[in-house]
Amino acid sequence: AQSVTQLDSQVPVFEEAPVELRCNYSSSVSVYLFWYVQYPNQGLQLLLKYLSGSTLVKGINGFEAEFNKSQTSFHLRKPSVHISDTAEYFCAVTGGSNYKLTFGKGTLLTVNP
Amino acid sequence: DVKVTQSSRYLVKRTGEKVFLECVQDMDHENMFWYRQDPGLGLRLIYFSYDVKMKEKGDIPEGYSVSREKKERFSLILESASTNQTSMYLCASSPTDLPYEQYFGPGTRLTVT
Repeated sequence: AQSVTQLDSQVPVFEEAPVELRCNYSSSVSVYLFWYVQYPNQGLQLLLKYLSGSTLVKGINGFEAEFNKSQTSFHLRKPSVHISDTAEYFCAVTGGSNYKLTFGKGTLLTVNP
Repeated sequence: DVKVTQSSRYLVKRTGEKVFLECVQDMDHENMFWYRQDPGLGLRLIYFSYDVKMKEKGDIPEGYSVSREKKERFSLILESASTNQTSMYLCASSPTDLPYEQYFGPGTRLTVT
């Protein structure tokens, strides 16, 4: 079975500051890893994914994430955030069955002016 | 653009009522999913379907059933709604070759009184 831990439930930052949203996972099999974003009153949208290859993956809106197998982590980063990045961010993992995504509990990123 | 639509954004039902939540996707995806989203709990999988008339239980199927008579439509049924089923319900779909790349609808916020 897989599990995902998002270490921060809320992250407030000022506009143009860098941000890191932390995600750790556990799995007994090889995994695929994902970050989804949910803007207010909307469904989830895929931000980026790690399937194989380079451990640094780039996504939409200037976000990137690094897969670290030894630390079982997949932290999300952005060097300079905008007000429009205010949203809830979910880390997710598959393993074994590709149909099933296991989601973390989410991190609410609030960008203040 | 992939479109996943859900029949209602907001729904209020009484305890004991039978409730139907409808989801339609227009990308000819084989896989469809129903999740519920609760604050602090993230997303939890209720049921999924990988083909017409096929269904699999997710992590929390109790109190729910599903129906998939046509490829594009996946319905979630609450046989007898209870107050603990008050939640946000999210539908998603994905193609067979990329089952983990799920596209989400905007959600239905269900309140059971």
